[in-house]
Amino acid sequence: GQNIDQPTEMTATEGAIVQINCTYQTSGFNGLFWYQQHAGEAPTFLSYNVLDGLEEKGRFSSFLSRSKGYSYLLLKELQMKDSASYLCAVRDTASGTYKYIFGTGTRLKVLA
Amino acid sequence: KAGVTQTPRYLIKTRGQQVTLSCSPISGHRSVSWYQQTPGQGLQFLFEYFSETQRNKGNFPGRFSGRQFSNSRSEMNVSTLELGDSALYLCASSSGGTGEEKLFFGSGTQLSVL
Repeated sequence: GQNIDQPTEMTATEGAIVQINCTYQTSGFNGLFWYQQHAGEAPTFLSYNVLDGLEEKGRFSSFLSRSKGYSYLLLKELQMKDSASYLCAVRDTASGTYKYIFGTGTRLKVLA
Repeated sequence: KAGVTQTPRYLIKTRGQQVTLSCSPISGHRSVSWYQQTPGQGLQFLFEYFSETQRNKGNFPGRFSGRQFSNSRSEMNVSTLELGDSALYLCASSSGGTGEEKLFFGSGTQLSVL
């Protein structure tokens, strides 16, 4: 089957570091994506991993372990504007074409 | 470059009615996919169109259908609306390839079924 799990909610303090985990079980795999979605807005792309390891982009980093079906998004030097939902998505290739499977999202609250 | 445009932004319908939602992708993008977003279920994949052909389909009943025009604009139709169809409907466009092929989302259509 296809399943993506991530925590429902997390709270952290401004200036701190937070790690949002994502585990997945899909029939095929062709990349893992992280999107950010502020309340009432469209999701926007944050990061992409297709090979094992860490990808760093400024304050945001994303890690992937394909053998463990595991990824995390690391947010450093948290700012109030980072309060949003973070969506983990896998591009699945099971059907012979590409389909994006999304997790239910992790709502992050950054406190002053 | 203009972003993905979805219309209308809000819709209120009653049970049994039908509704059509519209999505204009980013210029040059040939793939348009549709998602249903609800608080408990997250983003659920409805279908994807590429060059006017449905390339992929999620697990939604036949009441949900779509199409894509030659200019890549897409429409989604829901017939015989049910209360459970109340959700945010998002469309996303991409060039339809692989690699770091990110999705660009529209702001969505918030559908309320009364």
